[in-house]
Amino acid sequence: NAGVTQTPKFQVLKTGQSMTLQCAQDMNHEYMSWYRQDPGMGLRLIHYSVGAGITDQGEVPNGYNVSRSTTEDFPLRLLSAAPSQTSVYFCASTNSGTEAFFGQGTRLTVV
Amino acid sequence: AQKVTQAQTEISVVEKEDVTLDCVYETRDTTYYLFWYKQPPSGELVFLIRRNSFDEQNEISGRYSWNFQKSTSSFNFTITASQVVDSAVYFCALSEVRAGGSYIPTFGRGTSLIVHP
Repeated sequence: NAGVTQTPKFQVLKTGQSMTLQCAQDMNHEYMSWYRQDPGMGLRLIHYSVGAGITDQGEVPNGYNVSRSTTEDFPLRLLSAAPSQTSVYFCASTNSGTEAFFGQGTRLTVV
Repeated sequence: AQKVTQAQTEISVVEKEDVTLDCVYETRDTTYYLFWYKQPPSGELVFLIRRNSFDEQNEISGRYSWNFQKSTSSFNFTITASQVVDSAVYFCALSEVRAGGSYIPTFGRGTSLIVHP
């Protein structure tokens, strides 16, 4: 019973590099989302998906891209990493009105 | 304006003190959900409680209790007889309907609770 699996746990990127954060859930949840956590800012929503093939922007979408080809997977792509994207990233899955289940987080540093 | 306001950035108490973490939310929906999560120093997010907008009953779970008041749009969390293990960041969250009928939570900025021995 894995829940939400998020990889990698740690990553260091150089400015301008691209990478994909992986997220998979095995609970058949409709909704998946990506948040970033910065000191004093709480968790801010980057992008979310309400089902396969359907995504939408959250509060802080710039510089990030998502797609959802299956119910299980919801990867987050950084197209050209910037130091401002240094953060801790969390993937979450939920059904309507239920609590969100979170991955373990990815600590990303962009130098 | 923030949808979820946790005005207390940091609270410091001594073990065995009672402590209340405040949460004020803003929504125009009649159906919504409120949550509290705990983030210990290890970093994972731990679900504590869910409450829907139609259920204003207060809840008690061991040393934890929650007070939901629609009249003041508040969902406060009290820890009775705090312990060092309660030291963590606590987040309040609101799920209201978004485009497409989804409920994706919006989080407050969190309150860091430090419990000293």
